[in-house]
Amino acid sequence: AAGVIQSPRHLIKEKRETATLKCYPIPRHDTVYWYQQGPGQDPQFLISFYEKMQSDKGSIPDRFSAQQFSDYHSELNMSSLELGDSALYFCASSLVGGTVPQGEQYFGPGTRLTVT
Amino acid sequence: AQSVTQPDIHITVSEGASLELRCNYSYGATPYLFWYVQSPGQGLQLLLKYFSGDTLVQGIKGFEAEFKRSQSSFNLRKPSVHWSDAAEYFCAVGAGDSWGKLQFGAGTQVVVTP
Repeated sequence: AAGVIQSPRHLIKEKRETATLKCYPIPRHDTVYWYQQGPGQDPQFLISFYEKMQSDKGSIPDRFSAQQFSDYHSELNMSSLELGDSALYFCASSLVGGTVPQGEQYFGPGTRLTVT
Repeated sequence: AQSVTQPDIHITVSEGASLELRCNYSYGATPYLFWYVQSPGQGLQLLLKYFSGDTLVQGIKGFEAEFKRSQSSFNLRKPSVHWSDAAEYFCAVGAGDSWGKLQFGAGTQVVVTP
């Protein structure tokens, strides 16, 4: 079965640089979620999109932005990177269809971002 | 304040023995409950979920969990663990209007000994 695809899998950036993480949800899934997992930490919710509209927001820094495109893939843009942004970034997708709660979240393998 | 607690940071269990991982939550609204497993360097795999109905839910890999509203708990169990069950296990909760905004517990690291 198709899973959530994230690219790149690994990314090394320097402080103050920008990074773009991409997420391709499971086919027919309409909702995408982004989570950040620091070393030894539990995943923290950043932001979600349903049908290309932001549906919920967590502790996402103002330096980060995200969007969901017409083909449902999503991108997380991170600017002015800081050392503390080093983490594993997960994307998850689900089929919501406007009904709560329609489906569980399926997670991608993650993008490991290292900021030096 | 909403919270998810996994009291056990680390559990060591012998192969073939039973396993129980604890999860307690504090939410005002009806919670939607999940257990995920994460192997080193890997993503999160959904083991099972509870939305409503039967409070004993079956999941993949022989896991089950029981929702106890009176105790605000959703404990995960497996009758006989295999070495491949060594991983980190996360309990997650969604609720109310932000039901998709999962809040995770701190995780329980499970080590399986021969």
